Amino acid sequence: QSALTQPPSASGSPGQSVTISCTGTSSDVGGYNYVSWYQHHPGKAPQLMIYEVTKRPSGVPDRFSGSKSGNTASLTVSGLQAEDEADYYCTSYAGSNNFVVFGGGTKLTVL
Amino acid sequence: QVQLVESGGGVVQPGGSLRLSCAASGFTFRSYGMHWVRQAPGKGLEWVAFIRYDGSDKYYAASVKGRFTISRDNSKNTLYLQMNSLRAEDTAVYYCAKDGRSGYSTSCYFDYWGQGTLVTVSS
Repeated sequence: QSALTQPPSASGSPGQSVTISCTGTSSDVGGYNYVSWYQHHPGKAPQLMIYEVTKRPSGVPDRFSGSKSGNTASLTVSGLQAEDEADYYCTSYAGSNNFVVFGGGTKLTVL
Repeated sequence: QVQLVESGGGVVQPGGSLRLSCAASGFTFRSYGMHWVRQAPGKGLEWVAFIRYDGSDKYYAASVKGRFTISRDNSKNTLYLQMNSLRAEDTAVYYCAKDGRSGYSTSCYFDYWGQGTLVTVSS
């Protein structure tokens, strides 16, 4: 059982928007602005998409955005494209005891 | 460009040991904390361990604490993971990942990842 809860799957048609949630507790997501999101195509190295809740690394399309409210963080993908189909994982800093926790992952399907 | 290349994976019997290495290039290795993250077959990503830029602090997931040791050699730009008392549930692809912040602090995000090395624990 993962520390952070993500829906197992999400889907949308090309051009639509989809939001993936990541729910934790006040000891991780709610307690720090250290949530990050990763895109993972099977067999490849994961790629950082969002860090520190809302920041986007250079090279990541602005179709990807992050937010947080209370103990739940969200990743929104706007203008869905076929290449967005992948697994998405959230992580959060969780204090010096647990340090880093991952969500269970969400498989995004572009219909 | 940043490159992280893992090596040392293979097949090992339960109770055995293995040492993974991660050769880093393209950035000032001694300035950044480093992580190990793994993915078991058919499962999600799991954070394993972190070491600060100078090796002064180390943190571990509860599932590996006491069995795994993370270390680094800044003169060789190399990160290590010594894995002892291996169990079947340690079977996974192991990734090394660079922390996104330099220096002592970390916000625990991974801005570069290696391609991973497969560890299989089986008799």
